[in-house]
Order: sequence, then C-alpha cells, then structure tokens
Amino acid sequence: GESVGLHLPTLSVQEGDNSIINCAYSNSASDYFIWYKQESGKGPQFIIDIRSNMDKRQGQRVTVLLNKTVKHLSLQIAATQPGDSAVYFCAEAFSGGYNKLIFGAGTRLAVHP
Amino acid sequence: DVKVTQSSRYLVKRTGEKVFLECVQDMDHENMFWYRQDPGLGLRLIYFSYDVKMKEKGDIPEGYSVSREKKERFSLILESASTNQTSMYLCASRSTRSSIYEQYFGPGTRLTVT
Repeated sequence: GESVGLHLPTLSVQEGDNSIINCAYSNSASDYFIWYKQESGKGPQFIIDIRSNMDKRQGQRVTVLLNKTVKHLSLQIAATQPGDSAVYFCAEAFSGGYNKLIFGAGTRLAVHP
Repeated sequence: DVKVTQSSRYLVKRTGEKVFLECVQDMDHENMFWYRQDPGLGLRLIYFSYDVKMKEKGDIPEGYSVSREKKERFSLILESASTNQTSMYLCASRSTRSSIYEQYFGPGTRLTVT
C-alpha cells in the first residue's frame, strides 16, 4: 500500500545503474526463497525464486544469490529503470511448513532519472 | 493469469463494529491466506486455509476469525474492530499442484478503524 515504504530502509539508485537488495533470513531449515515486488497501491508480485540447493538463479534483468552459510539472500537488478521503483520483500519457506511464507520487512527501491 | 480479488480497496469502520473482508480467487487454488501489512513489519500471517472448511491460525490470529465455505472464497472477520486493527489486509492463494511456494496476492484492503 501507499504507506508501506515509509519506515523501510531505502536504496536510492540512478536509472541505468545496477541495484542490489539484501535480505537476511532466519530459519536454517528454509529450503525455498522468493523475492516479491510491491508497487504503490498494489499487492506483492512474484519476481523470482530459488531453492536451497542452488546458489544463483537468473531471470530477466534479475539475479538472486543465496549464501546459506550466512543465511543471506540478495536480489540484483540490472540496468534499473523507473518502473523498478517499489518495495521489495524476500520470503522464505520450508518443507512441512504448511506452505507458509515468512516475509522480511522489505526494502524500498527509489530509482532517480 | 491468476486473479485474486478483494471486496474493497478502502474501508472505514468504527470501533466495535463487525467487519467482513472478502477474498475471491479464480484459479481453483486449494490454499488461501490472509496477511496484514504494517509499515516496517512486512507481511504477517493472520490465518490460512489449505482447503474448503479448513483453517489454521497464523502468527497473529487474535481478534480475527475466518470462513472458507467455498473453495474460491476466503473471508476474514473482525468480530469487534479495534483501532489497532487499522492496517492493510492482503489475501493470497496458492495451488498445491504447484511444486513451488509462490503465492498470488490480491490488491489489498486498507482498513481504518476509528
């Protein structure tokens, strides 16, 4: 929603630069991770996912990196565009967790022309 | 495309009122979820349902109840609304036929309790 980003860490980037959004997850048993994007006034939308048996996965202009040793996840956006401005959430899930996702607090990405 | 709709985008209710938030999905998904979203806290799970007439408490169920009488519809009920329930409410659904955990979200209902 409109006020989601008010109290979030903000990453400001110039249009055309690469963006890196970081996330620390909590459960070492988590075996699946998702990145969501939430634009103002909309619900979260799926961007990319990765399973715990992978270190890296690439999509269109986005790459997710997983470091299980330090329980860290990152989302890299190449050639950031104004349309990428949004709040980004990471989420984790683990088998047997009734398909529940546990969401991070989110990071607001602001892209400046 | 999966479509998840919520009955209202904005809602204003008075303290003590009974509030119904409705969510409908059109993809025959088994699982449905209700979250609330507050600044700086991310999405917190209130209740979820893994099939018709089944429900499970999430992380913050106090003050809420749910109903899942039909597969496509999942209702969130605030029995007696309080000001601390002012929030953005998001509904989501997921197919158990999918091997991934992706949930599809509705646009949200911004509820204000005065």
